[in-house]
Amino acid sequence: DAGVIQSPRHEVTEMGQEVTLRCKLISGHNSLFWYRQTMMRGLELLIYFNNNVPIDDSGMPEDRFSAKMPNASFSTLKIQPSEPRDSAVYFCASSFLGGGNEQFFGPGTRLTVL
Amino acid sequence: GQQLNQSPQSMFIQEGEDVSMNCTSSSIFNTWLWYKQDPGEGPVLLIALYKAGELTSNGRLTAQFGITRKDSFLNISASIPSDVGIYFCAGQTHNNNDMRFGAGTRLTVKP
Repeated sequence: DAGVIQSPRHEVTEMGQEVTLRCKLISGHNSLFWYRQTMMRGLELLIYFNNNVPIDDSGMPEDRFSAKMPNASFSTLKIQPSEPRDSAVYFCASSFLGGGNEQFFGPGTRLTVL
Repeated sequence: GQQLNQSPQSMFIQEGEDVSMNCTSSSIFNTWLWYKQDPGEGPVLLIALYKAGELTSNGRLTAQFGITRKDSFLNISASIPSDVGIYFCAGQTHNNNDMRFGAGTRLTVKP
């Protein structure tokens, strides 16, 4: 079975540009989590969805960040406009709500904002 | 919010040695999980624990869910070079299904 799929794996952009990160959940999963990882702050939960509904977005840094689930298996995380301090590895994870709730992570997107 | 304290922050050991790391929290969790992250990859689930006092093994890995539900440990026996990586603990409540992560333990194994 395919795991969580993220694209792109690497993104280099200039300050002020819009960045869109993409995630495809594991088939059959119904919860989606976006994390950011940096050396300074470790793994931070940004937002998560259950059954396409955003449950907790308190970890989203500011209004420049937005996340959507246009359908049950796909999500986007958008940063507009991007800033150098947004440079990090962004992970998407999925789980089956009502099962063991274990989260399975994608390979991540390494974002560099110049 | 719920804070997880993971220790040690890093470990340098010789191949063949046993390893022990732990996580503590001021809050109660209903599930404890341990993940391993290799460079350039996402965290991979190693062991999940669902019941206070539970002791679970996965090959050379053994993890326990503390009886108070506020702590967990992970042991690795007879370490090998491929055990190198960052190990994260994570706690989850039943109120919601998000997780809180520890800061990680960076393990280096010298051949």
